[in-house]
Amino acid sequence: EAQVTQNPRYLITVTGKKLTVTCSQNMNHEYMSWYRQDPGLGLRQIYYSMNVEVTDKGDVPEGYKVSRKEKRNFPLILESPSPNQTSLYFCASSLWDSSYNEQFFGPGTRLTVL
Amino acid sequence: AQSVTQLDSQVPVFEEAPVELRCNYSSSVSVYLFWYVQYPNQGLQLLLKYLSGSTLVKGINGFEAEFNKSQTSFHLRKPSVHISDTAEYFCAVSAGDDKIIFGKGTRLHILP
Repeated sequence: EAQVTQNPRYLITVTGKKLTVTCSQNMNHEYMSWYRQDPGLGLRQIYYSMNVEVTDKGDVPEGYKVSRKEKRNFPLILESPSPNQTSLYFCASSLWDSSYNEQFFGPGTRLTVL
Repeated sequence: AQSVTQLDSQVPVFEEAPVELRCNYSSSVSVYLFWYVQYPNQGLQLLLKYLSGSTLVKGINGFEAEFNKSQTSFHLRKPSVHISDTAEYFCAVSAGDDKIIFGKGTRLHILP
């Protein structure tokens, strides 16, 4: 089954404790992206990747890191989480040109930073 | 740079009634337009998209949208809603530069 998976689905952590949210897709998509969803703000892009070893900042990259060492994986790293990073996070993937191709979304990771 | 505005944060509608969810965009270049749906506790999935050609686009689950260039709108419609249509709907715009901008979403509440 074609899908985007994220782990964990739920995470509660404390300020400053480094964490990683994994994202994997099995559709051989070149393009992958991370979004955060906050009430009243919709989806905002954090980082995206056009292909292996190619990443770029989205609209809200501060406090986040990403890497793309393999085509299928695109982990999101919070080196020192803060309460304002409490949010619902989505990973998405699409064929190489995301401008007009459908994005496939993972189920989401709900993160709470205390 | 492009932007997208969803004019209604919430829309209540009775079951089997028609619904329209409004979306306006701004861009100095030609755009691609999308509607995504997010069912409770799920990720987003594509409802429909407009790339070019016919301005009336049909999507899944009986939804359709009409691209109106002069009014810079891409409103989503369904002639008769069902309780299963309860979800949040996101309009999105892309100018072909590998960036897609999402609106803030419209929650559709179906009333029995």
